[in-house]
Amino acid sequence: EAQVTQNPRYLITVTGKKLTVTCSQNMNHEYMSWYRQDPGLGLRQIYYSMNVEVTDKGDVPEGYKVSRKEKRNFPLILESPSPNQTSLYFCASSSTGTSMNTEAFFGQGTRLTVV
Amino acid sequence: GENVEQHPSTLSVQEGDSAVIKCTYSDSASNYFPWYKQELGKGPQLIIDIRSNVGEKKDQRIAVTLNKTAKHFSLHITETQPEDSAVYFCAARSPGRRALTFGSGTRLQVQP
Repeated sequence: EAQVTQNPRYLITVTGKKLTVTCSQNMNHEYMSWYRQDPGLGLRQIYYSMNVEVTDKGDVPEGYKVSRKEKRNFPLILESPSPNQTSLYFCASSSTGTSMNTEAFFGQGTRLTVV
Repeated sequence: GENVEQHPSTLSVQEGDSAVIKCTYSDSASNYFPWYKQELGKGPQLIIDIRSNVGEKKDQRIAVTLNKTAKHFSLHITETQPEDSAVYFCAARSPGRRALTFGSGTRLQVQP
């Protein structure tokens, strides 16, 4: 089954404690991205990756890092989480063969709370 | 940058009725407009999209229309069913940008 898998689904952490949210897709997609979803604001892109070792900032990259060492994985790293990063996070992927490189598949989300 | 406004924020219809959700965008250069459905506890699901060189697109009970002059696009769902109940998001993409700009969402409730 084609899917984007995020882990963990829920996470409560304390301010300043480094954490990583993993994202893996099984569709051999080149394009992957991270979004955060906040009430009333829709989804906003954090980072994206066009392929292995190719990453770039989205609209709200501050406080986040990513890496793309393998095609299937695109982890999101919070080096020093702060309460304003409490949010619902989604990873997405698509093939660059599809026009517009749209976010065709989303993971189920990771609800992060930073206290 | 691009700004997308979505209306209404909530919409309740009777089963079998039609539902219409509208979005306006600010960047006249935007050329791609997808719609997503998000069910409770799940990630957004791409349900239909339209490009700026097309005025309308249909897929079974779902259709999207685009008015480039007025800079608005709409999602039409006909013969609604209870399983259509979800939050729907519109989005727009400007040329040269990878990020989609999303609307704030519409919670659709279909009453049996």
